[in-house]
Amino acid sequence: DTAVSQTPKYLVTQMGNDKSIKCEQNLGHDTMYWYKQDSKKFLKIMFSYNNKELIINETVPNRFSPKSPDKAHLNLHINSLELGDSAVYFCASTLGETQYFGPGTRLLVL
Amino acid sequence: SQKIEQNSEALNIQEGKTATLTCNYTNYSPAYLQWYRQDPGRGPVFLLLIRENEKEKRKERLKVTFDTTLKQSLFHITASQPADSATYLCALEDTGGFKTIFGAGTRLFVKA
Repeated sequence: DTAVSQTPKYLVTQMGNDKSIKCEQNLGHDTMYWYKQDSKKFLKIMFSYNNKELIINETVPNRFSPKSPDKAHLNLHINSLELGDSAVYFCASTLGETQYFGPGTRLLVL
Repeated sequence: SQKIEQNSEALNIQEGKTATLTCNYTNYSPAYLQWYRQDPGRGPVFLLLIRENEKEKRKERLKVTFDTTLKQSLFHITASQPADSATYLCALEDTGGFKTIFGAGTRLFVKA
């Protein structure tokens, strides 16, 4: 009965490749997010979707393209991966104030 | 510029003592502030929310205060235990909603 799930948990890939991370929430929440947590542990918002509509795009390079096929899913596709994309990516959802986070996807670009 | 700041250095305390973590913010007027706990290799987990009209909130051994004049929140863990060792993040809502801003977190180590 996982609330927010992400796949894969680990992703190791070469520079220049394209990869996707999937997120699903079974909480019935309207709003979903993608965050990036770098090596300094700073959690930065990347995107926010409300009812499948993009609400926030925090000046993320257009190599990153989120897609929300329905309210329960928010996937993240990354083109032409760069070394600096190595980080932990967290998906989260909320109905109002409190955010519920997924377990994270650890991306390492070699 | 807008900032949310937490003690960047780790906090080491002895089991049984009270841990106090600080969160200061600049150029925000949040309607509420939240505290989250993050364990290594896991996502943040919500602990407490305090609103601007509340001075103090408690939950079991946790206590949060919110001073909108000082633009500061304090997070206390009383009778701390080694299991309380984790990183604690404060977070507030940016103006306009839909965006939560997180501090960098303070790492707490509780020694037995």
